[in-house]
Amino acid sequence: AQSVTQLGSHVSVSEGALVLLRCNYSSSVPPYLFWYVQYPNQGLQLLLKYTTGATLVKGINGFEAEFKKSETSFHLTKPSAHMSDAAEYFCAVIDNYGQNFVFGPGTRLSVLP
Amino acid sequence: DAGITQSPRHKVTETGTPVTLRCHQTENHRYMYWYRQDPGHGLRLIHYSYGVKDTDKGEVSDGYSVSRSKTEDFLLTLESATSSQTSVYFCASKQEPSRAQHFGDGTRLSIL
Repeated sequence: AQSVTQLGSHVSVSEGALVLLRCNYSSSVPPYLFWYVQYPNQGLQLLLKYTTGATLVKGINGFEAEFKKSETSFHLTKPSAHMSDAAEYFCAVIDNYGQNFVFGPGTRLSVLP
Repeated sequence: DAGITQSPRHKVTETGTPVTLRCHQTENHRYMYWYRQDPGHGLRLIHYSYGVKDTDKGEVSDGYSVSRSKTEDFLLTLESATSSQTSVYFCASKQEPSRAQHFGDGTRLSIL
């Protein structure tokens, strides 16, 4: 069965610093991978997705992620953190049947002034 | 973004009462989903639908039922609510061919 691991339930960075949120997955089929962001009292918003093609994926709000098959990873990065990036971030992979998501447990990002 | 509306946004009810949550989408997506979100558990799939009248169970389906009589509407019912079902419930629909899911803003349900 697929699984998604997000290292670090809580990550703190200073404003202007690099953001790195880690995601590792297990999948027996070529993966479709997603990152979502959740602001307080809101639903999940799609940040970016990898389906096929280029392994470096650019998303909204300056975020990007790189699919590394050999490492089964899909880490999310942003060169310079902004206060508005403080939120919870979820990584997800499509399951073996290709229809449903398996979500990671989430990482809460805090941005310090 | 896909137009997904959940109602109600907040509900407080008592143990043993029936509760129905509604999800409405305007994108004509075939697949729809109900999740619950709890601290320490992330999002867990309750039920999903792959078409009108076609539904299936997810990871945590016990105590829940769903119905889909129209493409745009997906209902989640707690037949007899229990305190363990206090949670935030999210509805989503899936866009093809990207397979990205688009979420509503959630329903905060408290069962006393």
